Amino acid sequence: SQQGEEDPQALSIQEGENATMNCSYKTSINNLQWYRQNSGRGLVHLILIRSNEREKHSGRLRVTLDTSKKSSSLLITASRAADTASYFCATGAGTSGSRLTFGEGTQLTVNP
Amino acid sequence: NAGVTQTPKFQVLKTGQSMTLQCAQDMNHEYMSWYRQDPGMGLRLIHYSVGAGITDQGEVPNGYNVSRSTTEDFPLRLLSAAPSQTSVYFCASSYRVNDQPQHFGDGTRLSIL
Repeated sequence: SQQGEEDPQALSIQEGENATMNCSYKTSINNLQWYRQNSGRGLVHLILIRSNEREKHSGRLRVTLDTSKKSSSLLITASRAADTASYFCATGAGTSGSRLTFGEGTQLTVNP
Repeated sequence: NAGVTQTPKFQVLKTGQSMTLQCAQDMNHEYMSWYRQDPGMGLRLIHYSVGAGITDQGEVPNGYNVSRSTTEDFPLRLLSAAPSQTSVYFCASSYRVNDQPQHFGDGTRLSIL
């Protein structure tokens, strides 16, 4: 079964608006990663946040992590049509040799 | 750097045929993995390798074999293709597995008739 569950499954917004996607997980983690997947392409890494971090920024992206609620959120500010993609969270637990577990993704559509 | 290269990009097989999906990386990554992506199910781990000569099973290993004779290559073999194996297959690599970004190939779209 999937460790991470994204919410919502699909999100449609207008260009310039902010987009927020959430990820919940079940077991303890040592880090959580967000990936983007454009249609027909592989996944591209966006941000990694460790369990002892609460917030991380990268350009227009902001990721928060609440380990007490076992949840994370990805905020994309001032969205652009080029941000249209699927977004996945992935959780890492245990030792560095352990697996990453991916959620089912949020499909974001940014309308021009 | 080419990154992670997967071949072929598309393949159609008949039930019962076998084939090998190729994956190569030029980043000297120790960790490599294979995922399948089906609609509404995200990515599921098939097999992974933490270094040359070392492989292990993931979440959905049945019907697939892997080997890792070199750091660069990690082929995935379908032993006897079944329609349930119709999917998009992704290979990924990283220095370590769960605390480093994964680098993905562009996938192989496989249809089993």
